Amino acid sequence: GAGVSQTPSNKVTEKGKYVELRCDPISGHTALYWYRQSLGQGPEFLIYFQGTGAADDSGLPNDRFFAVRPEGSVSTLKIQRTERGDSAVYLCASSLAGDSTYEQYFGPGTRLTVT
Amino acid sequence: KQEVTQIPAALSVPEGENLVLNCSFTDSAIYNLQWFRQDPGKGLTSLLLIQSSQREQTSGRLNASLDKSSGRSTLYIAASQPGDSATYLCAVLNAGGTSYGKLTFGQGTILTVHP
Repeated sequence: GAGVSQTPSNKVTEKGKYVELRCDPISGHTALYWYRQSLGQGPEFLIYFQGTGAADDSGLPNDRFFAVRPEGSVSTLKIQRTERGDSAVYLCASSLAGDSTYEQYFGPGTRLTVT
Repeated sequence: KQEVTQIPAALSVPEGENLVLNCSFTDSAIYNLQWFRQDPGKGLTSLLLIQSSQREQTSGRLNASLDKSSGRSTLYIAASQPGDSATYLCAVLNAGGTSYGKLTFGQGTILTVHP
């Protein structure tokens, strides 16, 4: 079946602009995760949704970052007043409730470049 | 706070060699450990997942072991091939509370297998 998809695959924006990144999880997966990967680093956790609610948003770096999942499926990561330091690959993952392994399945990522 | 370290940071080997990648973590209260592969500009592909109650998992030429008490995991790749060239990432899922959503990643090992 279809895996996790993310759009756009690449996004170039100017400093100070607002961006939205979209994630479509695997159908039926109730848990959804956002990570950020800077060049040469491992991914870092941003936020985790269980259904529509954010179960853990401790990784969001500041209040310019916000994520929603209004219907418990698609999620949007929103970044206001972008800064050059926000440039990174933003990865989304999903997992199946009731799967005792809690295995996370990752999308291809969105590469964000802030100029 | 969980910290994950991977050694070596980079590894270059001739085709056909057997090799070992190392991962260590500071908090042994983990639920599982995953090894991922990441090709340049791509997302993460899960290779192996080891639950905390398991000692090892095998898939083809790959074997991953877990020693939870000492905070270590190894990924063994047998008879390496040029197609194995990629970045290998280790990630742990902590047990308990809202931490179930949060994978903590190492920085990765960049593997190059030359013909």
